[in-house]
Amino acid sequence: GNSVTQMEGPVTLSEEAFLTINCTYTATGYPSLFWYVQYPGEGLQLLLKATKADDKGSNKGFEATYRKETTSFHLEKGSVQVSDSAVYFCALSDRDYQAGTALIFGKGTTLSVSS
Amino acid sequence: GAGVSQSPSNKVTEKGKDVELRCDPISGHTALYWYRQSLGQGLEFLIYFQGNSAPDKSGLPSDRFSAERTGGSVSTLTIQRTQQEDSAVYLCASSPTSGRGHEQYFGPGTRLTVT
Repeated sequence: GNSVTQMEGPVTLSEEAFLTINCTYTATGYPSLFWYVQYPGEGLQLLLKATKADDKGSNKGFEATYRKETTSFHLEKGSVQVSDSAVYFCALSDRDYQAGTALIFGKGTTLSVSS
Repeated sequence: GAGVSQSPSNKVTEKGKDVELRCDPISGHTALYWYRQSLGQGLEFLIYFQGNSAPDKSGLPSDRFSAERTGGSVSTLTIQRTQQEDSAVYLCASSPTSGRGHEQYFGPGTRLTVT
């Protein structure tokens, strides 16, 4: 079945450090891939997305490239800020998935950035 | 504009009681989803509504869970005879369409605690 695996956290970094959060997926069709973020005390919000192979999603300095050959969608940022501290979820939606386009989420990775 | 709203924000109930959770999607969004976020299971899909079509209930964990969507807008998730394992944050999301690449907009969630 379809699934998403992302690296276990927590990830603890100093401000301006480089961030990578790994995400790999298993899907039977041609999924769209997403990164959602949940800031403390707030709801889930879309960070970026990519809908086909080799697409790069980007937002707020974060980037992720849809790699079909490695079934990956790793999240990167060159210089993190304290305000980036949050829980990050990798997710997919697969047009072949019976439940329409419901999202399948990874377990989430907690990022903590200190000044 | 107004986002997805959910009520109540918190609900504490005794084991065995029924509860109703409400979701008001963004006006004009035809797709509506319910998810559950718990420590042990992460984010899980529960049920999906698209327009006036029959809902996809494939994610509901048991027959104690049901949901309806009236007039293609407001949705209510009902849990009968609540159990302690039902304790979680219940999230509602809406989308302008069910297309796989479309962003889902999440509400703040209802935190359910079953004592």
